Amino acid sequence: DQQVKQNSPSLSVQEGRISILNCDYTNSMFDYFLWYKKYPAEGPTFLISISSIKDKNEDGRFTVFLNKSAKHLSLHIVPSQPGDSAVYFCAASEWQGGSEKLVFGKGTKLTVNP
Amino acid sequence: EAGVTQFPSHSVIEKGQTVTLRCDPISGHDNLYWYRRVMGKEIKFLLHFVKESKQDESGMPNNRFLAERTGGTYSTLKVQPAELEDSGVYFCASSLRGMTEAFFGQGTRLTVV
Repeated sequence: DQQVKQNSPSLSVQEGRISILNCDYTNSMFDYFLWYKKYPAEGPTFLISISSIKDKNEDGRFTVFLNKSAKHLSLHIVPSQPGDSAVYFCAASEWQGGSEKLVFGKGTKLTVNP
Repeated sequence: EAGVTQFPSHSVIEKGQTVTLRCDPISGHDNLYWYRRVMGKEIKFLLHFVKESKQDESGMPNNRFLAERTGGTYSTLKVQPAELEDSGVYFCASSLRGMTEAFFGQGTRLTVV
């Protein structure tokens, strides 16, 4: 049973517009959330994160919003650029057995058209 | 500074054969993690080393998978014998502290035919 869900496998937006990627989770014990960006044939690279005690974190063009009551987070990219085209993974951090691990969603492929 | 490096980048083997994947973490990183992504599914945790000790191997799918980290430096992940469902991309990550600060390698794409 998936604990982190990205229900949109793909998203296409026009350059300069806003990209909104969504993520839902089921485990209320998750205390930290991260977004990763992945290009083909490369590993995931960290993009932005948010602690469960916050509802917003901003870094340049990237903003992550967390709605704990809805168990929902979203990544906003504005303005979107063609170089942002990649697969975006939402991940949640959990501690189990003295070890921290990440639980990932399946990813959303973002295409930004020039 | 070199990042996390994985070898090989691709491996195609026949069902029943043995394959060994290698991960060189960032120098000085005590924490080393293995994850894998099976086609069309999410990236899933396999195990976590702290130096040479296995901190958590709860994600290892079965006893055909053996991970080692002798000397607390590089790590190997051996699959013996490989099955078709083992196909996927295997990622290694390393960090000074926890997983939320980890850097990923480029992955090894394993295809079992």
